[in-house]
Amino acid sequence: AQSVSQHNHHVILSEAASLELGCNYSYGGTVNLFWYVQYPGQHLQLLLKYFSGDPLVKGIKGFEAEFIKSKFSFNLRKPSVQWSDTAEYFCAVINYGGSQGNLIFGKGTKLSVKP
Amino acid sequence: NAGVMQNPRHLVRRRGQEARLRCSPMKGHSHVYWYRQLPEEGLKFMVYLQKENIIDESGMPKERFSAEFPKEGPSILRIQQVVRGDSAAYFCASSPLGGGANTGELFFGEGSRLTVL
Repeated sequence: AQSVSQHNHHVILSEAASLELGCNYSYGGTVNLFWYVQYPGQHLQLLLKYFSGDPLVKGIKGFEAEFIKSKFSFNLRKPSVQWSDTAEYFCAVINYGGSQGNLIFGKGTKLSVKP
Repeated sequence: NAGVMQNPRHLVRRRGQEARLRCSPMKGHSHVYWYRQLPEEGLKFMVYLQKENIIDESGMPKERFSAEFPKEGPSILRIQQVVRGDSAAYFCASSPLGGGANTGELFFGEGSRLTVL
């Protein structure tokens, strides 16, 4: 069965530090990849997505992610975090052409940014 | 966006009672999805509905759980005879016609947190 692994449960950083959150998935076929973010008390929002093309994807708020097919990875990065980036981050994958709703989510990584 | 509305935000039930969770999709959206998040787990897909149709219920438990999306009104996720293991956050998402997870156009609500005593 497909699965998504997020390596860190909780990451604590100081403002201006660089961020990299790991995400690996297990599926040999073509996939669409996503990062969602949930700020405290808010709904899940799409941060960025990869379907095809340039494996380096730019998202909102200065985030980017790199798809490395050979490593089945889709790590999220930000060069300099801000206190407002404190949130929970979820990596998700769906089979290309699969059921429209059947996103497979990782368990999430809580990011705490100290001012 | 605050477009997908879920209620109640918090629901407490005793074992054996019924829980009903409601989801009003964003205006103009015709597809609804329900996900469940157990403590310390990621979101898990439960069911995908269009108006008056269940499209994919591969993630729904076989017993006690049902979902509907009537022609008029919100989508309802119904859990009968709740047990402690049903305690979780239940998230609804919606998408427009032609949208969905494969296009990234999936908009989530803030979730309903069910606690079973």
